[in-house]
Amino acid sequence: AQTVTQSQPEMSVQEAETVTLSCTYDTSESDYYLFWYKQPPSRQMILVIRQEAYKQQNATENRFSVNFQKAAKSFSLKISDSQLGDAAMYFCAYRGPQGGSEKLVFGKGTKLTVNP
Amino acid sequence: DAMVIQNPRYQVTQFGKPVTLSCSQTLNHNVMYWYQQKSSQAPKLLFHYYDKDFNNEADTPDNFQSRRPNTSFCFLDIRSPGLGDAAMYLCATSFGGPGQSFLPNEQFFGPGTRLTVL
Repeated sequence: AQTVTQSQPEMSVQEAETVTLSCTYDTSESDYYLFWYKQPPSRQMILVIRQEAYKQQNATENRFSVNFQKAAKSFSLKISDSQLGDAAMYFCAYRGPQGGSEKLVFGKGTKLTVNP
Repeated sequence: DAMVIQNPRYQVTQFGKPVTLSCSQTLNHNVMYWYQQKSSQAPKLLFHYYDKDFNNEADTPDNFQSRRPNTSFCFLDIRSPGLGDAAMYLCATSFGGPGQSFLPNEQFFGPGTRLTVL
């Protein structure tokens, strides 16, 4: 079974600084999809960024980027120029191959605090 | 705005008293999911529907059931809530299904219903 591990239960960063959240996963598949979701306090979970395993290029969305290392099964999230609104729980999630199960497997999350 | 709506946002029930949580969507997505999220833990998938096709996770207790009367609505029924069922329940939707040729779509989440069991 696939597993997702986030080894940092909590992280903090100064406003305007850069922070990296770690995620590793285990799978026997060669084709899969990885996601970072953000869950602000008392608000709904939203997608931050996604990565297709067949793509070598790391995904980027504005201040958010990933470092996808397929051989190492690592998928870290980098947040640049951190803002107070970035404070949230961040979940790394895995989804299997296209055409297969829609199920997302989540890590336990990392709570990010942004200090002014 | 298209969205996923969950009602109520907070639900209090008594031990053993049946409770129903509601989810509706205006996105016209064919897949709907129910997740359980306990404090400081990852969301755990309970079950999901591809259209009307119900898919239960192997470790979902029999105490949890679901209904999807139409594309827009999905309900989570907890027949006899125990103290261990206190959690946030998240509904999500997406396009997808077995054999779909398009790339996997993101799941859109509702704000959740926080269930308290007394």
